[in-house]
Amino acid sequence: QQQVKQSPQSLIVQKGGISIINCAYENTAFDYFPWYQQFPGKGPALLIAIRPDVSEKKEGRFTISFNKSAKQFSLHIMDSQPGDSATYFCAASRGYQKVTFGTGTKLQVIP
Amino acid sequence: NAGVTQTPKFRVLKTGQSMTLLCAQDMNHEYMYWYRQDPGMGLRLIHYSVGEGTTAKGEVPDGYNVSRLKKQNFLLGLESAAPSQTSVYFCASSNAGQQAFFGQGTRLTVV
Repeated sequence: QQQVKQSPQSLIVQKGGISIINCAYENTAFDYFPWYQQFPGKGPALLIAIRPDVSEKKEGRFTISFNKSAKQFSLHIMDSQPGDSATYFCAASRGYQKVTFGTGTKLQVIP
Repeated sequence: NAGVTQTPKFRVLKTGQSMTLLCAQDMNHEYMYWYRQDPGMGLRLIHYSVGEGTTAKGEVPDGYNVSRLKKQNFLLGLESAAPSQTSVYFCASSNAGQQAFFGQGTRLTVV
């Protein structure tokens, strides 16, 4: 059962543009929503995370938007750069329960 | 600070052979996970552990066994390798409701 659905599977954005990746979840008990970034040949690493008591969190060029009623959250990358080219995973978890990951989005930022 | 260390990094097995992948973490995390990553499939959870001496099945447990005899170590075993187990394996650790830290991955090829 896929509890976190991620889209799109791949994304091509021009340098300077905005990259948007969306995730939807089913379990309303989830209370932690991280995004991970993975470069080729490396393990995923935490990029930014949000808890459901806020609707938005921003760290530099990266923003998470969270819509609790729609059970959706998204990652926005402003002023996308070629160095942002990577695979991005959304995830969700609740307290003592295991982390559930989305299927990933391969982002390519072209000059 | 080593974080999460996986050994080996690469391995080639013949069908039917067995092997053990070792994961070690030095962050005193309670939770440890084994994932496999295949193209277009994202991260799929094989087995996980919520504490020393405990293990539980994830999404794709068949053909794998695990053990967590010590809190810092999580072993993944393949008793009789099959070509379908060719993949990149990632170990991760976390505390409940916190970010997961990943190892660098083990690239396994079964011929």
